[in-house]
Parts: sequence; structure tokens; C-alpha cells
Amino acid sequence: KAGVTQTPRYLIKTRGQQVTLSCSPISGHRSVSWYQQTPGQGLQFLFEYFSETQRNKGNFPGRFSGRQFSNSRSEMNVSTLELGDSALYLCASSLGQNKPSDTQYFGPGTRLTVL
Amino acid sequence: DQQVKQNSPSLSVQEGRISILNCDYTNSMFDYFLWYKKYPAEGPTFLISISSIKDKNEDGRFTVFLNKSAKHLSLHIVPSQPGDSAVYFCAAGETSGSRLTFGEGTQLTVNP
Repeated sequence: KAGVTQTPRYLIKTRGQQVTLSCSPISGHRSVSWYQQTPGQGLQFLFEYFSETQRNKGNFPGRFSGRQFSNSRSEMNVSTLELGDSALYLCASSLGQNKPSDTQYFGPGTRLTVL
Repeated sequence: DQQVKQNSPSLSVQEGRISILNCDYTNSMFDYFLWYKKYPAEGPTFLISISSIKDKNEDGRFTVFLNKSAKHLSLHIVPSQPGDSAVYFCAAGETSGSRLTFGEGTQLTVNP
């Protein structure tokens, strides 16, 4: 079974631009969660999508948004990029049982650098 | 407000010895805890978990201990192997949802 894939793997943008990241979950998984990883901060939860609806949301500004398609693939968008948005963005897929024992499987991440 | 904290950014141990990674949490609503391992250029992978109704869970060389009164959990790796060198994240969640709160991570280095 193929794992979680994320594209692109690396991205360089400048301040003020916007960016879209893509995540393809494991086949049969209906939930996709997004996390931001920065040094010293660990993984910060952005949001979770299930059945094309946002089910959970973290404490990030509205510049961060996402969506999920009918095939469970998900995209994350960041508008008006700031230097502090430079991070590794990880997505994780799971069956969608809405409980922490529903194992989340992570993709390799997209490394975003904002200049 | 960091609800899950890993106070040791790094840990170095000799091959064959025990590795102990620690994690503290503040939110008393957390009742499910997990450990993930992350190698460079890869996403985190699930390692082991424990429910708050237990105080210990074992899987091969990996054992997780939970002390609810102290809001503390630890991961023991015995014996440690060089291939265990990675960043270890602890995470916590509530059974009412799927959202996980992660710690900052601890870089474990196992020296041959």
C-alpha cells in the first residue's frame, strides 16, 4: 500500500506571495491533518479535514486555509507569506475514526522557505 | 501555552544501554499518549501508545510508562541500537477527538 505523499518536497517563496501544498493520503483513509514543524516548537496542529469538511482547527491565523476533495486528497494554502512561515509542513492521514488511537500516518513533508 | 513538553532537546547513550526519554503534560483532559519517531527527510512514524487506564505498555524493546498523578510519561528503549538514533516526539490526545498535541521532540543519538 502506498504511503502518504506530499508535493512539492521543497519550495522557496518570497514575502507576500501565496503557496499551495498538496497531500495524497493512504488509500482508504478519509482524514487528513496538517502540522507545522519549526525548530524548538515541535509539531503544531493546523487543521484536520474529514469527508471534505474541516473537523478540527488549531490556533493559526486565517492566512492558513485548507480543503479536501472527494478523493480525500487535501491541499493547504498560505496567503501573504511571512518570514516566520518558513517551516516543514507535514500532513498525516488516518481512517477518520475521530479518536487519538486512530493512527496517523505522516508524509515526508514540504520544506517551505520564505525569503 | 505548551501543553506537552519535552525538556531535553537531546540525549546521547551508548549502544546496548537504556535510553529514557521524558515528557510532561499539563492538560488533565489528555487521556491517550503516543510516541513517534522521526528520521531526517522522513515524516514521523508511530512507535507506541498508552491509554490513561494503564500505567505501562510494552512492545519489544520499547516500553512507555505513564504517571497520571505527575502528568509524566517516559519511553524506555532497551537495549538501545544505533538505528534508534532519531528525533522522538511525544503526543497527547483526548478520546473525544483525533487532534494530537505534540512536544518539541528529543534528538536521541545512540553511539556504537
